[in-house]
Amino acid sequence: AQSVTQLDSQVPVFEEAPVELRCNYSSSVSVYLFWYVQYPNQGLQLLLKYLSGSTLVKGINGFEAEFNKSQTSFHLRKPSVHISDTAEYFCAVSGNTNAGKSTFGDGTTLTVKP
Amino acid sequence: DAGVTQSPTHLIKTRGQQVTLRCSPKSGHDTVSWYQQALGQGPQFIFQYYEEEERQRGNFPDRFSGHQFPNYSSELNVNALLLGDSALYLCASSQSGTDTQYFGPGTRLTVL
Repeated sequence: AQSVTQLDSQVPVFEEAPVELRCNYSSSVSVYLFWYVQYPNQGLQLLLKYLSGSTLVKGINGFEAEFNKSQTSFHLRKPSVHISDTAEYFCAVSGNTNAGKSTFGDGTTLTVKP
Repeated sequence: DAGVTQSPTHLIKTRGQQVTLRCSPKSGHDTVSWYQQALGQGPQFIFQYYEEEERQRGNFPDRFSGHQFPNYSSELNVNALLLGDSALYLCASSQSGTDTQYFGPGTRLTVL
């Protein structure tokens, strides 16, 4: 069984400040980790993914995440946020590389203020 | 290249009715997954279709069923609707064996 916990339901931050959205997971098998972004009234868009290899993963829009196996975490970071980054962010885990049947967290609402 | 499309955008039904939602995958994709996203929650996996067969299923009752057509498009059917079925239903497509799925904009279902 797999589960994902996003530790913050809401994260307010000022424009150009750094941000970290926290994600912890549990899994009894190998994990593949994903971060998605959802803008209002839209579907989910993949930001980045960790399948294997380097634990620091770079994604689109300047986001990056670090896989930490000992802490079972996969936190998302951005050094300087923009107003346009305001959205809902979801962390997800899958037990294999086959897309689909991912387990999602409940999301973190990132609000970037001017 | 059109992405994943879903229809209708919004739907209002009453308890006990049946509903059918439709999804067209991204060009070149042969696998379709369906998710239910309740308000304030993350998406929950319903099932996945590949080669016109249900390949994987999440923890949803038999009231939820699906179908995949030879052109890879898919339908999600929900029978005997309950108030708790009100949610955003997301379709995601992928190419079998790959690790990335692409999501459609969803269908917002409201059950009164």
